[in-house]
Amino acid sequence: NAGVTQTPKFQVLKTGQSMTLQCAQDMNHEYMSWYRQDPGMGLRLIHYSVGAGITDQGEVPNGYNVSRSTTEDFPLRLLSAAPSQTSVYFCASSERGGVNEQFFGPGTRLTVL
Amino acid sequence: ILNVEQSPQSLHVQEGDSTNFTCSFPSSNFYALHWYRWETAKSPEALFVMTLNGDEKKKGRISATLNTKEGYSYLYIKGSQPEDSATYLCAFYYGNNRLAFGKGNQVVVIP
Repeated sequence: NAGVTQTPKFQVLKTGQSMTLQCAQDMNHEYMSWYRQDPGMGLRLIHYSVGAGITDQGEVPNGYNVSRSTTEDFPLRLLSAAPSQTSVYFCASSERGGVNEQFFGPGTRLTVL
Repeated sequence: ILNVEQSPQSLHVQEGDSTNFTCSFPSSNFYALHWYRWETAKSPEALFVMTLNGDEKKKGRISATLNTKEGYSYLYIKGSQPEDSATYLCAFYYGNNRLAFGKGNQVVVIP
């Protein structure tokens, strides 16, 4: 099992550009989440999904869109990148939500100039 | 926004010494409390998920306790080793796949 994979590992964008961060898991987990990690802050929840076709907003959703068309994939879209979105992004999955451990991907380091 | 506090923020420990740190979380609407170990340049890995008041869990030299009534959890490292150097995250699960993370306890073990 590859676990949770994320692409790309690194990305540099200019302000106003859009892009999609990819996340996939091969553990057949229903629950998936996106977090961002900023210096001096804990991991903050951006969006989450409790199954294919079901997504909802987390703590810091503004500027991001998600969709979940399959169990395996949970892409995060930046609509119009801003310097405030410079961060490290982690995708995570779990078997039954928060009563089970989260499995994290390796992260994507995004810089917006 | 839920308040999950971890203290101390960072600590240096001599190899062989034991140490502990605290995670404070809301005592109402408790579902679960997670602990993760996060090494530099890696992704967080789960240590424990605790759901019941009074839970005690152990993995090797690391153990954790949970008090849901007063809203705190302790993480203990017994006989610290250099490989224990990492940031330890706690996360409060507040339903529907939502976790609120603390800022972490950064541990440096000095050989």
